[in-house]
Amino acid sequence: SQQGEEDPQALSIQEGENATMNCSYKTSINNLQWYRQNSGRGLVHLILIRSNEREKHSGRLRVTLDTSKKSSSLLITASRAADTASYFCATADTNAGKSTFGDGTTLTVKP
Amino acid sequence: GAVVSQHPSRVICKSGTSVKIECRSLDFQATTMFWYRQFPKQSLMLMATSNEGSKATYEQGVEKDKFLINHASLTLSTLTVTSAHPEDSSFYICSASSYSGRADEQFFGPGTRLTVL
Repeated sequence: SQQGEEDPQALSIQEGENATMNCSYKTSINNLQWYRQNSGRGLVHLILIRSNEREKHSGRLRVTLDTSKKSSSLLITASRAADTASYFCATADTNAGKSTFGDGTTLTVKP
Repeated sequence: GAVVSQHPSRVICKSGTSVKIECRSLDFQATTMFWYRQFPKQSLMLMATSNEGSKATYEQGVEKDKFLINHASLTLSTLTVTSAHPEDSSFYICSASSYSGRADEQFFGPGTRLTVL
């Protein structure tokens, strides 16, 4: 199966709640990135976390990385309806020559 | 962030025709560009990696004679779908990196929706 499996596949929450998405991968990585994609659009880069980092913040986003468990999580706090989108993790191999994308989590934030 | 454009944004063509999709980095030099394909409600699948001035490296299962990639300059890469068939209908997305041969912090284009009748 593809490197970078995410769960849940779909998540529906109320505005103001927090949303947590998880990503697991199989091989050694150089870094892991999270992207957002609105329906029918290109991807927007959210955060890059390197293999020697454990946590990173950007505004309402918090990303963790556990290389021993080969997993990462993306937390969106105080969600807004505008956060509705698909979220993908992508792992860059140790040479960072290419990224492999996970299956994605579709987040719906109800106003 | 850096800006990457794609043209056209959507194209409809007849089976058997060829379609060219352009990917441009507007405000930086893209040493490496990536081409992805995304089917509805699925993730992105890397098709090929191209470095300026070199032949593209194709992923396993991607026909290089069908999907022709040219990366002749630091700001432009093109993907030509030759003799397109309905099963080639998909969302094609390019991305660009200023790091040679690296996928760190790729900047994505808005995508091109190809429909083959």
